[in-house]
Amino acid sequence: DTGVSQDPRHKITKRGQNVTFRCDPISEHNRLYWYRQTLGQGPEFLTYFQNEAQLEKSRLLSDRFSAERPKGSFSTLEIQRTEQGDSAMYLCASSSDYYYEQYFGPGTRLTVT
Amino acid sequence: AQTVTQSQPEMSVQEAETVTLSCTYDTSESDYYLFWYKQPPSRQMILVIRQEAYKQQNATENRFSVNFQKAAKSFSLKISDSQLGDAAMYFCAYENGGSQGNLIFGKGTKLSVKP
Repeated sequence: DTGVSQDPRHKITKRGQNVTFRCDPISEHNRLYWYRQTLGQGPEFLTYFQNEAQLEKSRLLSDRFSAERPKGSFSTLEIQRTEQGDSAMYLCASSSDYYYEQYFGPGTRLTVT
Repeated sequence: AQTVTQSQPEMSVQEAETVTLSCTYDTSESDYYLFWYKQPPSRQMILVIRQEAYKQQNATENRFSVNFQKAAKSFSLKISDSQLGDAAMYFCAYENGGSQGNLIFGKGTKLSVKP
């Protein structure tokens, strides 16, 4: 069990550029979550996958955001036409169907200049 | 909509002493779960303790225990024998029992431990 991993750990991009983040969950976990955390706040839910199906999306997930989880393994979160307000820590978490604990990754810190 | 409130932005405790972090929540659901997560500086979030709403007994994990007051919608975390490694942001979180696992977090409490 190597834990949840995220790549990259840090990303600096210019406004208007597209960025993509990757999350690798714990191998036996079929649930995967994305959260966004801004400075001084708790994480906010973005979206949730059960296997490859995206079952829930927050209203925070605007049309510029898209998430995928092909084959129910790793997941990607893409932000198109980034804005300064997108600057945040993007956290990924995974869990199993049988135990509610969500295991979090180290996060990807996005800075939009 | 459910909300989670942590009214203490910062707390401080002397090493080996006891500290209590407060959390209140608002929900109309009867089936839910409550969690305390710890986020050390520049490190990933880890689960400290969880409580099922249907259980009357307060959860305990070693030096960490909760005071769950369902009627008052209060869920405080007590850390006994505080250690330097306990210094971190602590987040209270709520999850509906019938949900897909969408956690609702409070804003967090920054705990400092003085040697």
